[in-house]
Amino acid sequence: DGGITQSPKYLFRKEGQNVTLSCEQNLNHDAMYWYRQDPGQGLRLIYYSQIVNDFQKGDIAEGYSVSREKKESFPLTVTSAQKNPTAFYLCASSIGLLWGAKNIQYFGAGTRLSVL
Amino acid sequence: AQSVTQPDIHITVSEGASLELRCNYSYGATPYLFWYVQSPGQGLQLLLKYFSGDTLVQGIKGFEAEFKRSQSSFNLRKPSVHWSDAAEYFCAVADGNKLVFGAGTILRVKS
Repeated sequence: DGGITQSPKYLFRKEGQNVTLSCEQNLNHDAMYWYRQDPGQGLRLIYYSQIVNDFQKGDIAEGYSVSREKKESFPLTVTSAQKNPTAFYLCASSIGLLWGAKNIQYFGAGTRLSVL
Repeated sequence: AQSVTQPDIHITVSEGASLELRCNYSYGATPYLFWYVQSPGQGLQLLLKYFSGDTLVQGIKGFEAEFKRSQSSFNLRKPSVHWSDAAEYFCAVADGNKLVFGAGTILRVKS
């Protein structure tokens, strides 16, 4: 089945630790996104990538880093500089960035990150 | 910057009753609008979308939404709610290369 796989489902971070969230898609989509979800705030865009080896900052990129070495993979690292990392993280993908009838964002099941 | 407002944080309806979830957007041009649904601890599933054309759009699970430019609204409706519809619902507008989401409305269904 085609889809987006996020792992792990739950993740715990210690003080001063970097952690990496995995996102893999087999939809052959060019564009991928990372969102952060906090209760009562909807989803906020962290980073997005249009093609391999290219990515752009979203609205809340500070304390996060990404890479896009393969089309199907877009891992997110939550660095120690992110002082409030506890949240639900969602990865999404779409055919491309230009909006149109076929360019819909599809979401993974999410990773819940907590601080120990 | 574009924005989306969902005025109702929580809504409770009885099973079998009708439902309307409100969404207002701020966007200068013709917007691309979406409704997503999220079950607890899960990702988002697209219910329906509006890009152009007919202002009444049909989606999955019996949902529909109506785009009203004069009111900057894109309200989600369902004629008869089922207990399985209990979830959180997000309205979103496309803004350049990203989606801007509302804060969400949590739907509770009474039996």
